[in-house]
Amino acid sequence: KAGVTQTPRYLIKTRGQQVTLSCSPISGHRSVSWYQQTPGQGLQFLFEYFSETQRNKGNFPGRFSGRQFSNSRSEMNVSTLELGDSALYLCASSFGGDGSYEQYFGPGTRLTVT
Amino acid sequence: DAKTTQPTSMDCAEGRAANLPCNHSTISGNEYVYWYRQIHSQGPQYIIHGLKNNETNEMASLIITEDKKSSTLILPHATLRDTAVYYCIVRVIYNQGGKLIFGQGTELSVKP
Repeated sequence: KAGVTQTPRYLIKTRGQQVTLSCSPISGHRSVSWYQQTPGQGLQFLFEYFSETQRNKGNFPGRFSGRQFSNSRSEMNVSTLELGDSALYLCASSFGGDGSYEQYFGPGTRLTVT
Repeated sequence: DAKTTQPTSMDCAEGRAANLPCNHSTISGNEYVYWYRQIHSQGPQYIIHGLKNNETNEMASLIITEDKKSSTLILPHATLRDTAVYYCIVRVIYNQGGKLIFGQGTELSVKP
């Protein structure tokens, strides 16, 4: 089976712009979660989607949003980019939505905001 | 949310077993212990998880104490490629979901 794929892998944006990141989960997986990783804050949970519904959300401002499509693919959007949004954005998929199912991570999208 | 405590760094000789400890004294009975590792700038890699019993797979073994307050990840024959940051995570389940809360992890260096 193919693993979790994320596009693009690298992205450079300017302050004030918006960005959309894409995640394709492992085939058959219905849950997609997003995480942000920065040197200062480490890995932080952004949100989780299951069957097109957002079930959990981390402590991030409303500029961060996401959605999941009927084929389980997910996108996350960051509007009005700030320098502090520079980070590695990771997507993870799992078959089910509770704690008994392991999450598999993609390679991440490296976002640089200048 | 249950918090985990891990040593900041550890060394291990190549070919020897690496034993990585984790304390999670506030864990509840229905929360899972997960282990992931991350090699520099790559996505975290799932290793193993357990609820209360010891678990083993092709990568590692997970030993959970009877009171669930601590656990140990064992890599039986460490290689140089096992050098990574290892995260012990208590899987928080709420709203029918299960987010992962990452701490700072243990930086394991496997040396020749």
